[in-house]
Amino acid sequence: GAGVSQSPSNKVTEKGKDVELRCDPISGHTALYWYRQRLGQGLEFLIYFQGNSAPDKSGLPSDRFSAERTGESVSTLTIQRTQQEDSAVYLCASSFSFSAGELFFGEGSRLTVL
Amino acid sequence: GQQLNQSPQSMFIQEGEDVSMNCTSSSIFNTWLWYKQDPGEGPVLLIALYKAGELTSNGRLTAQFGITRKDSFLNISASIPSDVGIYFCAGQLGGAQKLVFGQGTRLTINP
Repeated sequence: GAGVSQSPSNKVTEKGKDVELRCDPISGHTALYWYRQRLGQGLEFLIYFQGNSAPDKSGLPSDRFSAERTGESVSTLTIQRTQQEDSAVYLCASSFSFSAGELFFGEGSRLTVL
Repeated sequence: GQQLNQSPQSMFIQEGEDVSMNCTSSSIFNTWLWYKQDPGEGPVLLIALYKAGELTSNGRLTAQFGITRKDSFLNISASIPSDVGIYFCAGQLGGAQKLVFGQGTRLTINP
């Protein structure tokens, strides 16, 4: 499709397990962002990619969180040894470089840690 | 970190009423944006503002970039049922690529 695609749309996991979330950005968008949205809350910045480098990873909450991106394409967000407080919707967005904030979001991956 | 204070947190209005919400910050932003999020979806951009004092309309929506660059408001005129959702303000600091988001305003419309 033409939009940002995220998978899985829903993931239920047990505390302590690792999870991997995937984002396919819009073709041609060089910038990619991950945000976290807890229930009833706003969006919390995690990490930003320009191409396959991450100039800003200041929002990653702990060393259990990591992300990588292949070229100007797919990105994966990995959460190791999940905790209950990791439960949230993880939103991916992409944009053209220097788009001044005009982000296109996917539908998100809802993570539930039991 | 930088914070955006968005108000009100929720609004319950009658169809046809006008709506106003705003966002303030202690930091100066270069860009202000307003997004809308429907249940189960990602946010969608409504309006982007790039210059202090700028007033921009998109159909029934009007938004302004405050002259101090520390605030913005969004107005919706003659609300309709499909306006229901959560509205987020977002700001971009100079030199930073990431957006900082407000906590959202949840709009509910009684028919």
